Amino acid sequence: DTAVSQTPKYLVTQMGNDKSIKCEQNLGHDTMYWYKQDSKKFLKIMFSYNNKELIINETVPNRFSPKSPDKAHLNLHINSLELGDSAVYFCASSLGTANTEAFFGQGTRLTVV
Amino acid sequence: QQQVKQSPQSLIVQKGGISIINCAYENTAFDYFPWYQQFPGKGPALLIAIRPDVSEKKEGRFTISFNKSAKQFSLHIMDSQPGDSATYFCAASTMDSSYKLIFGSGTRLLVRP
Repeated sequence: DTAVSQTPKYLVTQMGNDKSIKCEQNLGHDTMYWYKQDSKKFLKIMFSYNNKELIINETVPNRFSPKSPDKAHLNLHINSLELGDSAVYFCASSLGTANTEAFFGQGTRLTVV
Repeated sequence: QQQVKQSPQSLIVQKGGISIINCAYENTAFDYFPWYQQFPGKGPALLIAIRPDVSEKKEGRFTISFNKSAKQFSLHIMDSQPGDSATYFCAASTMDSSYKLIFGSGTRLLVRP
């Protein structure tokens, strides 16, 4: 039973397209995140939601729009995709308290051509 | 001030040897220091974590050493095994940072049989 699941696992698309990545967690956590891992494997937070409310937005271009329809889901929509958006995007979740373990999904490898 | 610096970038160890990965930070408000392990094609997974009120934490073959005055912490993997070959990330967060993790740049560990 997957704790944090993302779809799709791979996404290849052309520049200028709009795409979405979906994330669901079945851990009962209150907080969900999107992290971006670049080609050098550097991991950086993009967004964080707590109880469906945005609490972190790390100066990400507004082409990226997260949506949390409920506590268990956090989707990422990306408009007008650019070559530089190519990366692995990880969804994660944790309990709604500070400094607890974050559980990561398997990642979505986005390739913009 | 939000950075966490990690070294080395890559590490090769013989089976049975000790692997040591180091991290340093600037922000004295950091109060949670986890280590994550990532295998190819997978999301990061929590390995072990420490809070600054202790100087060492051991779980099986994995030990975190923490030096608050030097603002450094390190991961020691004793009796390293080929199955430990992965990328390791140190991270840090603060109680008031809305739970976001600041990651180091990662260390690719290869344990030779």
